[in-house]
Amino acid sequence: GAVVSQHPSRVICKSGTSVKIECRSLDFQATTMFWYRQFPKKSLMLMATSNEGSKATYEQGVEKDKFLINHASLTLSTLTVTSAHPEDSSFYICSARGSGDPNEQYFGPGTRLTVT
Amino acid sequence: DAKTTQPTSMDCAEGRAANLPCNHSTISGNEYVYWYRQIHSQGPQYIIHGLKNNETNEMASLIITEDRKSSTLILPHATLRDTAVYYCIVRARSYNTDKLIFGTGTRLQVFP
Repeated sequence: GAVVSQHPSRVICKSGTSVKIECRSLDFQATTMFWYRQFPKKSLMLMATSNEGSKATYEQGVEKDKFLINHASLTLSTLTVTSAHPEDSSFYICSARGSGDPNEQYFGPGTRLTVT
Repeated sequence: DAKTTQPTSMDCAEGRAANLPCNHSTISGNEYVYWYRQIHSQGPQYIIHGLKNNETNEMASLIITEDRKSSTLILPHATLRDTAVYYCIVRARSYNTDKLIFGTGTRLQVFP
């Protein structure tokens, strides 16, 4: 299957600071990218969907001003957690989908964010 | 997208077949059944998908009932590395609403 990478794999930041997570599709062009969040022992929760060159569509209850998503190219999307707080500590997973057939969805390895 | 119902957890002996059921009684005609799994602290891994015919690949087989209201993922010879949470998802594959919504999944424990 196609490869999706995330960077960093782990990050620790102080409360009030911002942190950026990168998601890259390595061997295909991702017309659509997705960002999920997962708390311990819970399922993945979709945060937002982004199409290349367009504004992201956020799921209900997700603050768009706090979780900034940029999908500026067909291989890169970024998630910036602004003014992070301890409750933002979570496992963030990106996913990418191409436009071809089959347009399957592939997931990155995830980023563990800890806010102290 | 239709919702799915899966058992919370299952056990399977190593080398035996693991049969993971999924109910999707409200599935629509254009919705596919997808299976992913997530090994601890990793991103989900695609396993298999189908519409109405049974499917098989190098990882697993997918059996979909004739009325499409349920399906079963079969891992023919489970290994310890198959221990993971398995998610059954229905997906419409229509441009505007095409997103994978994860349920609670089945935690499969393969034991020696």
